[in-house]
Amino acid sequence: TQLLEQSPQFLSIQEGENLTVYCNSSSVFSSLQWYRQEPGEGPVLLVTVVTGGEVKKLKRLTFQFGDARKDSSLHITAAQPGDTGLYLCAGVIQGAQKLVFGQGTRLTINP
Amino acid sequence: DSGVTQTPKHLITATGQRVTLRCSPRSGDLSVYWYQQSLDQGLQFLIQYYNGEERAKGNILERFSAQQFPDLHSELNLSSLELGDSALYFCASSVMPGKGYNEQFFGPGTRLTVL
Repeated sequence: TQLLEQSPQFLSIQEGENLTVYCNSSSVFSSLQWYRQEPGEGPVLLVTVVTGGEVKKLKRLTFQFGDARKDSSLHITAAQPGDTGLYLCAGVIQGAQKLVFGQGTRLTINP
Repeated sequence: DSGVTQTPKHLITATGQRVTLRCSPRSGDLSVYWYQQSLDQGLQFLIQYYNGEERAKGNILERFSAQQFPDLHSELNLSSLELGDSALYFCASSVMPGKGYNEQFFGPGTRLTVL
């Protein structure tokens, strides 16, 4: 059983389109992180959200933490081929110290 | 560049062999984590060390072991290798468990191929 469920698992869209990736759980998280991983490389931390309802923006990427701190979303506006990669959400379950990862969303942006 | 280094970058070996993967954490980070990532799969947590002591275990096989040395570098030992052990192995480091929201910084990985 996956503690963090990401959807969709695969997404292929055209350059310029918008997209949203979801990360859901039945557990409450004290913090949640999004990473991006390119083929053959290690994941790179994009953002950390810690407060329910928090929204953070990173250029064309918007990250939101759910009010109940059980879910998160990543929205990309006007996707570019450089956004292609594996997007991983990871969270610290409230009361624990372990970071758990979702299975990832493999995003392909076609020129 | 995350500041985490891993060697070697690539490793090709045969079934039944033993290999050692090495990781140096970011300067100042006391905690080291090891992950396995098979083709087209997410990250599987193997084991965590903090300041030389084992802190948490994940889905680590008995054939695998790890340690963290006084200089904080870590080694992951994989023995009696099987074809299914072929994967990317990542090391990550963080300041300390529970501090800084447990943000982890990943190394470039070691690609292990077992033939």
